[in-house]
Amino acid sequence: GAVVSQHPSRVICKSGTSVKIECRSLDFQATTMFWYRQFPKKSLMLMATSNEGSKATYEQGVEKDKFLINHASLTLSTLTVTSAHPEDSSFYICSATPREQGANISVFSLNQPQHFGDGTRLSIL
Amino acid sequence: AQSVTQLGSHVSVSEGALVLLRCNYSSSVPPYLFWYVQYPNQGLQLLLKYTTGATLVKGINGFEAEFKKSETSFHLTKPSAHMSDAAEYFCAVRGLAGGTSYGKLTFGQGTILTVHP
Repeated sequence: GAVVSQHPSRVICKSGTSVKIECRSLDFQATTMFWYRQFPKKSLMLMATSNEGSKATYEQGVEKDKFLINHASLTLSTLTVTSAHPEDSSFYICSATPREQGANISVFSLNQPQHFGDGTRLSIL
Repeated sequence: AQSVTQLGSHVSVSEGALVLLRCNYSSSVPPYLFWYVQYPNQGLQLLLKYTTGATLVKGINGFEAEFKKSETSFHLTKPSAHMSDAAEYFCAVRGLAGGTSYGKLTFGQGTILTVHP
């Protein structure tokens, strides 16, 4: 089955540090990847949609300069939390949907589920 | 805009009992629907999905869900709960109506399932 690898699984660092989280689709191409944030005992909140070869689309209220997203290839997207502060501590999860077979490379398959990474627990001291 | 409501943030059942987790959605056009399970400190694992075709869909680990358009519901059931089913369950819809929600997943609030021996 489709596997998404997210790394690192846990980060503990000092305030002011920038942290990079990687999300890789291991056995499929993902034109589009999604980044979520999950607060304790809460649901997932979509932060941004990462598109290969173009700028990410951020949800309302998400600071694009704080959360930098790069989608350099069809299998890798990165989220960098810049100058992280304690309020950025959270569980960050990425997901990817396989590219639609035979379709324009920019189209992801709507009837395919999103496959999730195992998340990154970010703790800023 | 689309939305998802999961009735009951906590559901507790005995081992061997029926599991019923409720999900209702709101969308201008019938969306694609998904159920995911999340174990502590892990990502989400797909249980099942409904896109088109048969409205009763079967998933992994003995779970199934029925899409009822008239009730805008997609409740998750399992005939007999197992201790390993204890986890948090999320219902999600994928918007198909165009606009800024197109293609994105919207999650319900989650339901924590506890299974007692």
